[in-house]
Amino acid sequence: DTGVSQDPRHKITKRGQNVTFRCDPISEHNRLYWYRQTLGQGPEFLTYFQNEAQLEKSRLLSDRFSAERPKGSFSTLEIQRTEQGDSAMYLCASSDSEAFFGQGTRLTVV
Amino acid sequence: RKEVEQDPGPFNVPEGATVAFNCTYSNSASQSFFWYRQDCRKEPKLLMSVYSSGNEDGRFTAQLNRASQYISLLIRDSKLSDSATYLCVVQPGAGNNRKLIWGLGTSLAVNP
Repeated sequence: DTGVSQDPRHKITKRGQNVTFRCDPISEHNRLYWYRQTLGQGPEFLTYFQNEAQLEKSRLLSDRFSAERPKGSFSTLEIQRTEQGDSAMYLCASSDSEAFFGQGTRLTVV
Repeated sequence: RKEVEQDPGPFNVPEGATVAFNCTYSNSASQSFFWYRQDCRKEPKLLMSVYSSGNEDGRFTAQLNRASQYISLLIRDSKLSDSATYLCVVQPGAGNNRKLIWGLGTSLAVNP
């Protein structure tokens, strides 16, 4: 499979725990995006990488969120001290021109 | 004004109908435009890019109007399987700043 892959597909965690998600983009794509989506809403931008450089981070993100793309390939998104409001689908996309999405990680904070 | 705006709908149409969606954008220097389709609880999938000259893919036609800063998507002969949310995406930057800006989506329900 040469598409964007995300791991895990589902994550249930207790409030206050830390979680980390991984995204493997399409190999020749140098741009990588993280989005968050809740039911009935469009994707909400979180952050964006060009190769290993994090070019932009949404002001909506608190300091509890951090993302890395250390070698310009895969990326990780970490959420510290999760809150119930963090429950959402976390989508990763990579692009050369058009963007292609992974299937997402559905996070439920209980 | 939001950067990208869409009528959320829902649009309820019978099978075989023709339906059109518009999407307006605020940045006149925007470079690239796309339509994505998203099924319930699935990830968005690219439907088509939108070129300045307009483009057609089967029953789907996309057009760009730079003067009025909107893009459109026309679906002819609607099928039940076209029921989904259609998301408009604009890429305002060039070079290294090529962040995607998403609309909130237009919901389409095609009824038998």
